[in-house]
Amino acid sequence: EAEVAQSPRYKITEKSQAVAFWCDPISGHATLYWYRQILGQGPELLVQFQDESVVDDSQLPKDRFSAERLKGVDSTLKIQPAELGDSAMYLCASSPGPINEQFFGPGTRLTVL
Amino acid sequence: AQKVTQAQTEISVVEKEDVTLDCVYETRDTTYYLFWYKQPPSGELVFLIRRNSFDEQNEISGRYSWNFQKSTSSFNFTITASQVVDSAVYFCALSEARAGNQFYFGTGTSLTVIP
Repeated sequence: EAEVAQSPRYKITEKSQAVAFWCDPISGHATLYWYRQILGQGPELLVQFQDESVVDDSQLPKDRFSAERLKGVDSTLKIQPAELGDSAMYLCASSPGPINEQFFGPGTRLTVL
Repeated sequence: AQKVTQAQTEISVVEKEDVTLDCVYETRDTTYYLFWYKQPPSGELVFLIRRNSFDEQNEISGRYSWNFQKSTSSFNFTITASQVVDSAVYFCALSEARAGNQFYFGTGTSLTVIP
């Protein structure tokens, strides 16, 4: 069964360091999402891609976060510099299109010390 | 304003009991989609159901059933004869066509099924 892949699964870093997360969506899925989920809360959308184009990054803290999906397939989310408040689960999801259900990867648990 | 409200933060039931998880949404769109996701302790969100705004027919899938009522803007989820494996956090979500189909998740309901 096709799955969304994410790596790493866990990341511990010190504040002011740079971190990067990788996501490989289900093959053929044009829409890719990055979410941040703080413990005890629902996922919050950071950025949405349609193929290689960003369609929504209104909630992405652009002073420190960046995301790219250069060839419209896999994607990278970067944080530089990391802050203590960035500790959270970072989830990637993909879907065939924006009105379809999203399929989520296992997430990357980030801890900033 | 919260677009999706899940008023029940935590629920505990004894195994084999039925349980209903509430979801109330807010939208001005006539075209929208509603979803339920399950997040077990492992952390991965699992898709359960998708409903569009034009289909108010209730749905049953095994022990799961969903009650969609546009008149009360609710999309409630019932688990019949609950099992320990149902223990998880359940999220309701809304996608509005006008907003580019951005997902809005509720804050989730943590369900614990006690053996």
